Amino acid sequence: AQSVTQPDIHITVSEGASLELRCNYSYGATPYLFWYVQSPGQGLQLLLKYFSGDTLVQGIKGFEAEFKRSQSSFNLRKPSVHWSDAAEYFCAVALYSGAGSYQLTFGKGTKLSVIP
Amino acid sequence: NAGVMQNPRHLVRRRGQEARLRCSPMKGHSHVYWYRQLPEEGLKFMVYLQKENIIDESGMPKERFSAEFPKEGPSILRIQQVVRGDSAAYFCASSPRLLSGTEAFFGQGTRLTVV
Repeated sequence: AQSVTQPDIHITVSEGASLELRCNYSYGATPYLFWYVQSPGQGLQLLLKYFSGDTLVQGIKGFEAEFKRSQSSFNLRKPSVHWSDAAEYFCAVALYSGAGSYQLTFGKGTKLSVIP
Repeated sequence: NAGVMQNPRHLVRRRGQEARLRCSPMKGHSHVYWYRQLPEEGLKFMVYLQKENIIDESGMPKERFSAEFPKEGPSILRIQQVVRGDSAAYFCASSPRLLSGTEAFFGQGTRLTVV
């Protein structure tokens, strides 16, 4: 079955430390990949996306992600975390669902806490 | 250019009442998606619509739930005879075309509480 896995439910890092959030997908074809961030009580904001081309993509707020086809992964990274990055992060894949339709399938999210 | 607008932001309904959630997509976007987020869970796809057409409703519960996206006006997600288990955040997203080449933009969500 097609799925998106975020193995870490909750991660805590110190401010200024580096961050890597993991995302693995199970999908036969070339996926369209996204990372979204959700602050408490808010909607989802797109951080970055991968459709094709360079496998290292840059996003907003200093985030980047690398697509590794051999590992079916699309991990999110940031070299130095700021306290304002505390939020929940969702990896998503746009999957073809038939009848000319694509839908986003989300992982369950990783909650990031930042220690001052 | 306003983003995806959802209203109301918060909605309280008693069991058995109807809930109507509205979503106005971004200007120029003709594709609308509804997602439900239960506490401590990710977002689950419900339905994908284009103007006047339901394209994919594979994630919609078979009963009590319906969605529309009329030629004029916002998309509506309607839940009849609500039950406590319907309490969740409902998010709408829109895109200018199929997600094979673009991203979806999300609204702030409607938080439904059934009492």
